[in-house]
Amino acid sequence: QVQLVQSGAEVKKPGSSVKVSCKASGGSFNSHDLSWLRQAPGQRLEWMGGIIPTFTRIQYAQKFQDRLLLTADTSANMAYMELSSLTSEDTAVYFCARGDYSDFRNSFDPWGQGTLVTVSS
Amino acid sequence: DIVMTQSPDSLAVSLGERATITCRASQTLLFSSINRNYLAWYQQKPGQPPKRLIYWASTRQAGVPDRFSGSGSGTDFTLTITGLQAEDVALYFCQQYRDVPSTFGQGTKLELK
Repeated sequence: QVQLVQSGAEVKKPGSSVKVSCKASGGSFNSHDLSWLRQAPGQRLEWMGGIIPTFTRIQYAQKFQDRLLLTADTSANMAYMELSSLTSEDTAVYFCARGDYSDFRNSFDPWGQGTLVTVSS
Repeated sequence: DIVMTQSPDSLAVSLGERATITCRASQTLLFSSINRNYLAWYQQKPGQPPKRLIYWASTRQAGVPDRFSGSGSGTDFTLTITGLQAEDVALYFCQQYRDVPSTFGQGTKLELK
């Protein structure tokens, strides 16, 4: 059974970037959508974008189009999310999650444990 | 984007009783050519990631107790928990995946009465 394990918590300054990793064990996500979502305090879950490594397909939510970069290393079963130009509004728990299919219209299972990113001066 | 609206925002139910949460989409989630509704339900406990309970509006995730059931079609959906257990206290939210970007409801907090 696939498990997703994310990198640890980060504290960043406004204007900087953060890179979060997600490693699959017990299977892979290479032919699935591996999406990134975030949950800010008091806010609903927000889909940021997804990557399908085998087909080199990437889709970004319009809101993050200009400052989000999703990449993957298929040989290592790793995916990465890099968000730039951080502001305090980016303080949130960031999740990776695997979709069921090789497109971007998916529900998600499993999820990573979450990575808290705090943006503060 | 499709807007997902849940009700109620919070709900208190006694042990052994039924809990009902509704979710309404601003557009149909039914893909008529395959007769499937692109709607999922999740449970989230503090400090944990979301756990998928239901997908395709009514298909229960493997390992999820059968006291959890999903119903509905088009724009109106329901998650029902029959015979509430203490471990069911959590935040529940719906997700539409009919359109990109996928969007989520605001969540319903389920507590014990």
